[in-house]
Amino acid sequence: AQSVTQPDIHITVSEGASLELRCNYSYGATPYLFWYVQSPGQGLQLLLKYFSGDTLVQGIKGFEAEFKRSQSSFNLRKPSVHWSDAAEYFCAVGASGGSNYKLTFGKGTLLTVNP
Amino acid sequence: KAGVTQTPRYLIKTRGQQVTLSCSPISGHRSVSWYQQTPGQGLQFLFEYFSETQRNKGNFPGRFSGRQFSNSRSEMNVSTLELGDSALYLCASSLLPGVYSEQYFGPGTRLTVT
Repeated sequence: AQSVTQPDIHITVSEGASLELRCNYSYGATPYLFWYVQSPGQGLQLLLKYFSGDTLVQGIKGFEAEFKRSQSSFNLRKPSVHWSDAAEYFCAVGASGGSNYKLTFGKGTLLTVNP
Repeated sequence: KAGVTQTPRYLIKTRGQQVTLSCSPISGHRSVSWYQQTPGQGLQFLFEYFSETQRNKGNFPGRFSGRQFSNSRSEMNVSTLELGDSALYLCASSLLPGVYSEQYFGPGTRLTVT
């Protein structure tokens, strides 16, 4: 069965600082990986996704993530954080194959941005 | 175009009652998935519908059920509510089922069971 671990429950950074949110996955085959963001009172918004190809993926809002198969990781990064980035971030892995589709989420990392 | 709409946004029910939540997908989207979000368990997949057929189901008891109508709108039902069913229920729509088709999430329905 697939699983996702986000080791950091809560991270605080200063505005303008760089950010890295960690994500480790467990899945037997090639994973399909996603990062979502959830602002208070909102649903989830897709930041970026990895299916295959280039292991460095660019997303919206200046975010990027790097797939490292050897480390089973898909960490999310941003070079300079803005106050509006404060939200909860979820990493997810999707099982491949038609009717067996299922998206498994990590428990999330809450990001606080200090002015 | 309009996003995913979920109604109602907030709901308070009593243990033992049943509840029906509604989801209207983005126009043209034919796949709808449901998720339960709680502080303890996080986001958990409930089920996925496409063309009025349930394609996949998560590990939830039979008290949780759903359906999809011919216009792709979906409802989920929880019978005999328990305190542990208090959660944010999120609906997501996509053009097609499966991981390749991007999911768009609604704002959720906050269910409180007392």
